[in-house]
Amino acid sequence: GQNIDQPTEMTATEGAIVQINCTYQTSGFNGLFWYQQHAGEAPTFLSYNVLDGLEEKGRFSSFLSRSKGYSYLLLKELQMKDSASYLCGLMDSNYQLIWGAGTKLIIKP
Amino acid sequence: ETGVTQTPRHLVMGMTNKKSLKCEQHLGHNAMYWYKQSAKKPLELMFVYNFKEQTENNSVPSRFSPECPNSSHLFLHLHTLQPEDSALYLCASSQGVGDLLSHTIYFGEGSWLTVV
Repeated sequence: GQNIDQPTEMTATEGAIVQINCTYQTSGFNGLFWYQQHAGEAPTFLSYNVLDGLEEKGRFSSFLSRSKGYSYLLLKELQMKDSASYLCGLMDSNYQLIWGAGTKLIIKP
Repeated sequence: ETGVTQTPRHLVMGMTNKKSLKCEQHLGHNAMYWYKQSAKKPLELMFVYNFKEQTENNSVPSRFSPECPNSSHLFLHLHTLQPEDSALYLCASSQGVGDLLSHTIYFGEGSWLTVV
């Protein structure tokens, strides 16, 4: 079967670094992506990984290990506006999108 | 500002009412989606349309009826809903379906539905 796991909630301090993990089981894989969703707003695309390794985009980086079924989203120099839910999703062999339940990130001053 | 707009943003309806959610995308995409988002649950894909043709129906109850008159517009008609149908309904679009073109999905801000 297919399954995606990510923590329900995390708390971090402004200015710090936080890593949000995502583990998955799938029979086929065509990429893993991260979306950010602020309360009451649309989810917005953050990153897409299809090959192993780290993709850096400003303060945000995303890592993928296909052999381990593991990804993480790394947020540096946290700002209050980073308080949001972060959705991990994967595209399986049939190009179907499977989503995790999301991680609510709370940033404290 | 998102390229996918949804109306209404909030809807309260009784179990015997008939209402519709509307979605419009301004991105020139060919595929449109309806998702259901409930608290602490993964996004649930409900329907997928590609070039106005329905390509996916994930065992959604018939009280939800989609309509896609063209590639830019998508409706979700609601009839005799249950309280457990209360959720955020998200519309989304992508360039394509069933290939790597579809990996970037653009969401609308959603319609909050409360069934009383």
